[in-house]
Amino acid sequence: GIQVEQSPPDLILQEGANSTLRCNFSDSVNNLQWFHQNPWGQLINLFYIPSGTKQNGRLSATTVATERYSLLYISSSQTTDSGVYFCAVASNFGNEKLTFGTGTRLTIIP
Amino acid sequence: NAGVMQNPRHLVRRRGQEARLRCSPMKGHSHVYWYRQLPEEGLKFMVYLQKENIIDESGMPKERFSAEFPKEGPSILRIQQVVRGDSAAYFCASSIQETQYFGPGTRLLVL
Repeated sequence: GIQVEQSPPDLILQEGANSTLRCNFSDSVNNLQWFHQNPWGQLINLFYIPSGTKQNGRLSATTVATERYSLLYISSSQTTDSGVYFCAVASNFGNEKLTFGTGTRLTIIP
Repeated sequence: NAGVMQNPRHLVRRRGQEARLRCSPMKGHSHVYWYRQLPEEGLKFMVYLQKENIIDESGMPKERFSAEFPKEGPSILRIQQVVRGDSAAYFCASSIQETQYFGPGTRLLVL
């Protein structure tokens, strides 16, 4: 099956800093989503981005499908950005079951 | 427009008991996925259902686990004769096209 690797595994930053999270995948995909799992365990949709670039406030994401990677950018970090960020992909049209990466744990220090 | 609902949010069972987890998809969504998250790990796919049909159950353990999504009512994930290793967070997601929206999860603890 498809493999998904995320880096770095852990990231500790001061409030206000910027960060880049990376997701590499081993095969072509038709679905790629970024999620934020907050400290209470809830999974929040950030982006559906199988290709191209999207922005939403302080967050943006870019997927280069031909090179099999995606990047999530967080600017001007806030303490509420803390949590685990997951990249998840699907590679079969008609069956969108997601394969998750192991996540990046982000801690923002005030 | 309510999101994906799961209940109960927390469930405690003793070894050998049954656990029933319920998932109500977003209004208009006909696709339901179940995922399991073990402590300190990512989510793992279990089963994909459409109304009254199991489409893909390749991630389901072969024994003790079953899932259904009836024509009326929520999707149910059923775990019979639970063991300590079943302790995990179980998430349900629903979709109408590609984007999956996740519920808050059910945290199962087996004593």
